[in-house]
Amino acid sequence: SQELEQSPQSLIVQEGKNLTINCTSSKTLYGLYWYKQKYGEGLIFLMMLQKGGEEKSHEKITAKLDEKKQQSSLHITASQPSHAGIYLCGADPTQGAQKLVFGQGTRLTINP
Amino acid sequence: DGGITQSPKYLFRKEGQNVTLSCEQNLNHDAMYWYRQDPGQGLRLIYYSQIVNDFQKGDIAEGYSVSREKKESFPLTVTSAQKNPTAFYLCASSLQGLGTEAFFGQGTRLTVV
Repeated sequence: SQELEQSPQSLIVQEGKNLTINCTSSKTLYGLYWYKQKYGEGLIFLMMLQKGGEEKSHEKITAKLDEKKQQSSLHITASQPSHAGIYLCGADPTQGAQKLVFGQGTRLTINP
Repeated sequence: DGGITQSPKYLFRKEGQNVTLSCEQNLNHDAMYWYRQDPGQGLRLIYYSQIVNDFQKGDIAEGYSVSREKKESFPLTVTSAQKNPTAFYLCASSLQGLGTEAFFGQGTRLTVV
């Protein structure tokens, strides 16, 4: 089965600093999704990437999918307290399978 | 307002009892999913359903059962066979087809004592 490995597992940054979270797959990704979760709550969709080399941005968050479609990165510019939470990457393990699997998550803490 | 609703938010049960978690969506989504999340871990897929009256086991289906009699509803039963049922359970739904985002409920925190 497909495994998604996120790094780092935990990240503490000072407010205003940039940061990057990585998501690496053991297999080709047919759809890569980034979600954010506040502790004890559901997941909020951030972005979806499908094509090799694709890059999307929303406000201060940018996500990229590499050309080989096995690694994605999530970059936050000028971090704010509202960015704190757990970031999870998810993917379709098989094209059209409609079965989403997730990485173990990255817990982001923003210090003032 | 369209969305996906899980109930209850908190649930306590005694060991050895079956318990059913509710998940309802009014988004007209074909696919629905159940995930389990343990502290410090990501989401693990329990069961998923792509159409009514059909569902497939995920990675950790043992000790759980589901039904999909209606498109809007995908209840999850945690049976007494599940050895470590205390966890945060998340339900999600999505349209069929590749590249469609999944919408998540707010989760149910189940504690078995």
